[in-house]
Amino acid sequence: QKEVEQNSGPLSVPEGAIASLNCTYSDRGSQSFFWYRQYSGKSPELIMSIYSNGDKEDGRFTAQLNKASQYVSLLIRDSQPSDSATYLCAVIQGYSSASKIIFGSGTRLSIRP
Amino acid sequence: DGGITQSPKYLFRKEGQNVTLSCEQNLNHDAMYWYRQDPGQGLRLIYYSQIVNDFQKGDIAEGYSVSREKKESFPLTVTSAQKNPTAFYLCASSAPDRGPTYEQYFGPGTRLTVT
Repeated sequence: QKEVEQNSGPLSVPEGAIASLNCTYSDRGSQSFFWYRQYSGKSPELIMSIYSNGDKEDGRFTAQLNKASQYVSLLIRDSQPSDSATYLCAVIQGYSSASKIIFGSGTRLSIRP
Repeated sequence: DGGITQSPKYLFRKEGQNVTLSCEQNLNHDAMYWYRQDPGQGLRLIYYSQIVNDFQKGDIAEGYSVSREKKESFPLTVTSAQKNPTAFYLCASSAPDRGPTYEQYFGPGTRLTVT
């Protein structure tokens, strides 16, 4: 079982709709969760971080965390063509300064006009 | 203007040659990381350093070497021992001393092609 799992996609969503991206993780000790956006040929860009159960909203983005189910998701409202990218889920296990960040393989999102 | 710089953006080498990728940051971050990304794949950790003059192997360190002589700099050498060096190399940094967030920020990457 992979430590951080994402559906590779592609996920196709019509412009203006809500895109829902999901991620599951295996280590119950995980404490910090991140979503990165990566355009083709570019480096990952941090768009959301979440540390406690519940929802966190930032503009059109909402991150949702459920530690009991070991599940984190990203919702993108009013999807735009510029949201077409690969979205990487990342998880840090524990609070130790030696903790490493584990990345999922990413979900490719395509917003169709 | 704070950030992470990587150079060069594209690098071409012949098989059997060592090559060094540069990574510099002016964010005053203590921790720095090197990842490798292959087409359609996630990020794999090569080496990381949490403090000057100290570094640890990641998941795929074989065929790579690093140094951390200055806080701002974390160069990666891809040696001839690395069997499949062609990849997109990403450097990142974070500030673990600022609380248990460890958000990592990435440089623009270096695309290495070995023929």
